[in-house]
Amino acid sequence: NAGVTQTPKFRVLKTGQSMTLLCAQDMNHEYMYWYRQDPGMGLRLIHYSVGEGTTAKGEVPDGYNVSRLKKQNFLLGLESAAPSQTSVYFCASSYPPSRSSYNEQFFGPGTRLTVL
Amino acid sequence: GIQVEQSPPDLILQEGANSTLRCNFSDSVNNLQWFHQNPWGQLINLFYIPSGTKQNGRLSATTVATERYSLLYISSSQTTDSGVYFCAVERGNYQLIWGAGTKLIIKP
Repeated sequence: NAGVTQTPKFRVLKTGQSMTLLCAQDMNHEYMYWYRQDPGMGLRLIHYSVGEGTTAKGEVPDGYNVSRLKKQNFLLGLESAAPSQTSVYFCASSYPPSRSSYNEQFFGPGTRLTVL
Repeated sequence: GIQVEQSPPDLILQEGANSTLRCNFSDSVNNLQWFHQNPWGQLINLFYIPSGTKQNGRLSATTVATERYSLLYISSSQTTDSGVYFCAVERGNYQLIWGAGTKLIIKP
């Protein structure tokens, strides 16, 4: 049981290049999330998904696209990377909240991305 | 939008000391969670506490929802407690809004 894994762990891009970050979870969670963390700040939600084939915008979605083709995977794409996208990216997953439970999110180890 | 403020921003303590971290939020929230980010960057969920008090070993948390604040208590600090402590609140649509964190350093 690996939990939430992220690929790659580190990446350096040049401005204008594209890349895809992969998040995988083996806990059969319905919900998945992509966050970014900048120095001295908490996490900010980029996009999230409440189920296979669905995605929604979070707090800071501009410059990113996502896809959830399989329940266990959530992909984050940067079509044309910019220096402002230099950050640490975290993926998380959770069960659907219900009246008797809450949205406990489990986090991956993060991907450190630098855009030159 | 909702604002989440944490204090103090930095805290340096000797091993064995006690500490209190505070989280203020600007509006009513559905949920509130405390996280620990260790020095290697891993995020660990400590408490889900929209109201009331909970304890887990040397850590405890209290949320007073009517006054819009939460407190995280760490007793008998250990060096492994070092890292950044985040408070995050949920405002609906499953979106967590995070504070900027309290960086805690425990010296041996």
